[in-house]
Amino acid sequence: DTEVTQTPKHLVMGMTNKKSLKCEQHMGHRAMYWYKQKAKKPPELMFVYSYEKLSINESVPSRFSPECPNSSLLNLHLHALQPEDSALYLCASSHIGTGGIEAFFGQGTRLTVV
Amino acid sequence: DAKTTQPPSMDCAEGRAANLPCNHSTISGNEYVYWYRQIHSQGPQYIIHGLKNNETNEMASLIITEDRKSSTLILPHATLRDTAVYYCIVRVSGNTGKLIFGQGTTLQVKP
Repeated sequence: DTEVTQTPKHLVMGMTNKKSLKCEQHMGHRAMYWYKQKAKKPPELMFVYSYEKLSINESVPSRFSPECPNSSLLNLHLHALQPEDSALYLCASSHIGTGGIEAFFGQGTRLTVV
Repeated sequence: DAKTTQPPSMDCAEGRAANLPCNHSTISGNEYVYWYRQIHSQGPQYIIHGLKNNETNEMASLIITEDRKSSTLILPHATLRDTAVYYCIVRVSGNTGKLIFGQGTTLQVKP
């Protein structure tokens, strides 16, 4: 199983809503990532978890709150978002090490904030 | 972090080889070169990676210059399904596996 599963595929939320994005993998990867991608732009790294602990936060606003409840799951909790936060949110996972390691990406959640 | 420079777009005829260049002149000795591609509205897909030697797999070949300052991804027989944005990435040293995407090259394969 080399799949990273993201749910939901599409989400529309109001600026006062609270919602969560979910990411799941069963490859035994201990690094998991959230990326944000705006239209016609490359993915931008948001957060990195290593061994279920937050290791990198790329200065992401606090209205985005990540959570890694176990080694297979990664959540992104959303609260009080702005319309400019509308984007494709991508989750990825990989093994941890210093050698050449490939990351596997999910198909993303297309988020629209209204 | 080492940065990469790629042409913004390229065309290739179907059935011909697609050669995608990438410059990474500030790469350090223990950083790997990775290639990913992203087909419209899908998640990025890993293609290949290398450190010093040329690499080949079922999808592509990766040619890295001896000084490691540039590389070329080769798709030997491009098909219409290879139309995508191709990202050349230098992996940050350390054990986080952090991947920083540059602007990429949009490859258009034409019939």
